[in-house]
Amino acid sequence: GDSVTQMEGPVTLSEEAFLTINCTYTATGYPSLFWYVQYPGEGLQLLLKATKADDKGSNKGFEATYRKETTSFHLEKGSVQVSDSAVYFCALSDPSNTGKLIFGQGTTLQVKP
Amino acid sequence: EPEVTQTPSHQVTQMGQEVILRCVPISNHLYFYWYRQILGQKVEFLVSFYNNEISEKSEIFDDQFSVERPDGSNFTLKIRSTKLEDSAMYFCASSVPFGDSYNEQFFGPGTRLTVL
Repeated sequence: GDSVTQMEGPVTLSEEAFLTINCTYTATGYPSLFWYVQYPGEGLQLLLKATKADDKGSNKGFEATYRKETTSFHLEKGSVQVSDSAVYFCALSDPSNTGKLIFGQGTTLQVKP
Repeated sequence: EPEVTQTPSHQVTQMGQEVILRCVPISNHLYFYWYRQILGQKVEFLVSFYNNEISEKSEIFDDQFSVERPDGSNFTLKIRSTKLEDSAMYFCASSVPFGDSYNEQFFGPGTRLTVL
């Protein structure tokens, strides 16, 4: 079945460092891809999305490009802030079914001043 | 900005008791979902609901679970006889109708269920 694999955390960075969180997926169809963020004590918020190959999703300085050839959707940010400390979830949704989201295991990011 | 709401924020119950978790999806949304997240683990799909019926459910969603949209605004998840392993954060989500190539789901803040 469809699945998502993320790099294991936690990831600890200093403020203004470059961030990459790797995400790869397995899917039989043509999924949409998402990054969700979960701040401490809160629910899930959509960070960015991409719906087809070579699409780039971006929001709040974060970017991710849908790479069909490598089945990847890596999250990047050029300069992280302390406020970016959170858990990041990569997810996919196959629009040909009910649209359920399949999540990766989540990567905890801690940014130190 | 419209948002998904969930009540209660935290529910503590005894093993074997019934619990009902409540959600109010965004008003023009038609697809509704429940997910759960056991502490420190990934978010897992439980069930999707459309047009007043379950459209898909996972292996986790056994006979102890049921969902209902009783009044056109609320969307509930009932666990008939809770087990210790049901302790988790339960998230409700809703989405706009299909018709585009993606399905953006909006999540509520979650209900933390603790089974003692």
